[in-house]
Amino acid sequence: GNSVTQMEGPVTLSEEAFLTINCTYTATGYPSLFWYVQYPGEGLQLLLKATKADDKGSNKGFEATYRKETTSFHLEKGSVQVSDSAVYFCALSGGGGSNYKLTFGKGTLLTVNP
Amino acid sequence: EAQVTQNPRYLITVTGKKLTVTCSQNMNHEYMSWYRQDPGLGLRQIYYSMNVEVTDKGDVPEGYKVSRKEKRNFPLILESPSPNQTSLYFCASRGGQGSNEQFFGPGTRLTVL
Repeated sequence: GNSVTQMEGPVTLSEEAFLTINCTYTATGYPSLFWYVQYPGEGLQLLLKATKADDKGSNKGFEATYRKETTSFHLEKGSVQVSDSAVYFCALSGGGGSNYKLTFGKGTLLTVNP
Repeated sequence: EAQVTQNPRYLITVTGKKLTVTCSQNMNHEYMSWYRQDPGLGLRQIYYSMNVEVTDKGDVPEGYKVSRKEKRNFPLILESPSPNQTSLYFCASRGGQGSNEQFFGPGTRLTVL
C-alpha cells in the first residue's frame, strides 16, 4: 500500500536559516502530494500541493517539487521565521489507493529561534 | 466562513463511559473522515464517509463507530472507551473530484483514565 517517510525531527533552526524537510513516498501510479502544517494548538492546514510529476507547489515562501524519479517531495524555505515554528506533515492521496484518503508521514517538529 | 467544527475540544473521561465527538462542516462536502494523531505515528484514518448513509472503515477502526445521517455531520462514537484511545482526534472533509484539498477541524484532545 501507500506510505510516506519523512525526516524525523525535531529540527531546530535560527531565524533566517535555510530549511529542508525530506519526504519520500511509496505508491503505485501517480499520487497527489501535499504538505500540511500544524501550528501549536491548531488543526492541520494545507500548506502546498502538487498533483503531477515536476509540479512545484509553493506558498508563504515554502516550496516543494514533485520528483517522480526519486519519489520525493522535499519541503524547502530559504529563510525561516519564528512564526514558522510548527509540525509539518507530508501526505499523499491516490496513487493506487483512494483519491480521498490521505496517507501521512509521522510529522516533523520545527522550532525556529530568534 | 468555510470551516469544520468539532466538539468538545477537550475531554477527560473514564474507561467504559460512552462518549460522542461531534463534527460538522458548512461546505456541503460529500466526503468526511476521522483521524487520530499519536506521537511518532502521525495521523491515521479511523473511518470515512463518501456521502449520507455511506461509511467505511479506515486503518484503525477498532473501538469506534460513526454515523452519517446528514451531509454536514459526522459524529465519532466511542461505545466503551479504553485508555489506548487517549489521543488527539481530527475530523476532515473535502469536496468532489474537482478539488483534492481536505479541510481539518481544530481537533479534540481525549484522555481516557
